Amino acid sequence: DTEVTQTPKHLVMGMTNKKSLKCEQHMGHRAMYWYKQKAKKPPELMFVYSYEKLSINESVPSRFSPECPNSSLLNLHLHALQPEDSALYLCASSPSGTKLVGSPLHFGNGTRLTVT
Amino acid sequence: DQQVKQNSPSLSVQEGRISILNCDYTNSMFDYFLWYKKYPAEGPTFLISISSIKDKNEDGRFTVFLNKSAKHLSLHIVPSQPGDSAVYFCAASNPNAGKSTFGDGTTLTVKP
Repeated sequence: DTEVTQTPKHLVMGMTNKKSLKCEQHMGHRAMYWYKQKAKKPPELMFVYSYEKLSINESVPSRFSPECPNSSLLNLHLHALQPEDSALYLCASSPSGTKLVGSPLHFGNGTRLTVT
Repeated sequence: DQQVKQNSPSLSVQEGRISILNCDYTNSMFDYFLWYKKYPAEGPTFLISISSIKDKNEDGRFTVFLNKSAKHLSLHIVPSQPGDSAVYFCAASNPNAGKSTFGDGTTLTVKP
């Protein structure tokens, strides 16, 4: 069982919908990440929160809005998405913030998003 | 500009033999390298890592070798088992950027 829990596992949404992806970890990790993965491609970094503050935004379109309510939770709010945004969205955490970049990432099993 | 490359999209080996997965990088600022394994419908899981100050790290059946001068690392799995069949991602960490960069992955199939 993964220690990073993502909900929902699958999500189908229309281009006018608003939805949210949720991620939770209880390992005491202080860095949390959102990645996007398309088929046959590597995970692509979207956002990084370090100590609950947004530290990296990889020029992600504003239709994706991250939120870190506390050290255990990470949300990704979705609005007015395009069909090309369909992908596997992975949440990850690492122990001590992004300073320790050698620390392994702990991934959740992802949310499979389909935009119709 | 792809800074981390895994040039073999797929690899097939017989059970019990050695699997060698390769990874090349271009950025000399990378100081830590990690291998992740991914099964279908699951997130990647950490397998093994190596610091740039070392040239070898071993953990059970898994050994990672780093050749800094060639900017090349490899993952050796001995002996290979059918349960090792998965996609393997190489990742490199840049302390200045505060993030890791992933390669495209290699799909390993271990045949019984």
